[in-house]
This record gives sequence, C-alpha cells and structure tokens, in this order.
Amino acid sequence: KAGVTQTPRYLIKTRGQQVTLSCSPISGHRSVSWYQQTPGQGLQFLFEYFSETQRNKGNFPGRFSGRQFSNSRSEMNVSTLELGDSALYLCASSDQWGYGYTFGSGTRLTVV
Amino acid sequence: AQRVTQPEKLLSVFKGAPVELKCNYSYSGSPELFWYVQYSRQRLQLLLRHISRESIKGFTADLNKGETSFHLKKPFAQEEDSAMYYCALSDSNYGGSQGNLIFGKGTKLSVKP
Repeated sequence: KAGVTQTPRYLIKTRGQQVTLSCSPISGHRSVSWYQQTPGQGLQFLFEYFSETQRNKGNFPGRFSGRQFSNSRSEMNVSTLELGDSALYLCASSDQWGYGYTFGSGTRLTVV
Repeated sequence: AQRVTQPEKLLSVFKGAPVELKCNYSYSGSPELFWYVQYSRQRLQLLLRHISRESIKGFTADLNKGETSFHLKKPFAQEEDSAMYYCALSDSNYGGSQGNLIFGKGTKLSVKP
C-alpha cells in the first residue's frame, strides 16, 4: 500500500509570507502527526490530529496551525514566516491504536 | 519534564563488534518507548517498539524502568546498520495511540569494515 505522502518536497519562501504543507496518510490511518526537524533542535512535535480533531499540540507559537479533513488528509500552515522556520517538516500517520507511526519523506522549507 | 537523552552523537564500531546505543528518559507516567532509524537518503522508520518485545534486524531493546533506560543492542554489527538512530517516547494515556513522540537528538552509528 502507498506510504505517507507529503507535498511539496521543497519550498522556498520569503520572510513574512505564509505556507501550507500537505500530508496524505496511509489509507485507513486516522491519526496524523507533524514534526519539525532542524539540526539544532532535532525532531520536535508540532501537533496531532485524529478524526479531524486536534488531539495534542506541541510547544510552538500560534503561527503554526493545522487541520485534518474527513478523508484524514492533513495540512499544516505557518503564517508570517521567520528565518528560524527553515526546517524539514515531517508528517507521520498511524491507525487508531498507534502501532508505530509511519513517516513521510518530509517537506524541506527554506525561508529567505 | 518529559525528556529523552541519547548521550552519544556518534558511535563508531567495526563490523562484527557488539553495538549498544544508549537512551535514557525522564517521564512521570507510564511511557511507551520506541527506536526509529533513518538510513542515508531514506525516511525515518520504526525499528522497535518496547511493548512488542521483538527483535528486528538483530536489534533488541529492553525497557529498564529502574534506570529509566531503553538501550538498543546488537551482538554483531553489520555495515548496513550504519544509520541515524533515534530513541523516542510517547504518552500512553491516549487509549492506545501515541501521536506526540518526544525524540532524542539521535546517535549516528558508523560500522566500519
């Protein structure tokens, strides 16, 4: 079966702009989580959605938001981009029992 | 505070030597522990889950609640084991699902021929 798909793979944005990243989970998976990966901070949890509801949120400013659609696809949005938002953004999905999360390849965001 | 510590950034061993990647955690509840691996140019993938008590690719990990550790071990390292290894912890209070993984900074394992 198809894995977790993230689009786009690469993005270059200017400070102050906003960006939307997309994640299509494995078919049948209802839980989607988002992570930010940077060389300095490593992998940090952003938020998790389950059945269109945000179930948990990490320690990120309100500029970072997300949503999940009825087909379990998820989007995350970052508004008023800052240089420090440059990172690899990873999406992961799991079934409702959380039997290990399957990660996508990520979206590499560069803010200039 | 919940935290996962991997004390070694880099671990270099020779092929056939035993490997132990260290992971210590700080968590007030009942944690679920995982090991994830990222091979060069590949996506992050689940290697082990403590609750499964299984052995994958010859790797095992035992949860030691007394020492709050979850070290990853393999008796004989292979060159193809060279990768980045991440220890992760999750909150097990979601009725079985764990969406908020807390990751360690990772250990790069290099297995030399």
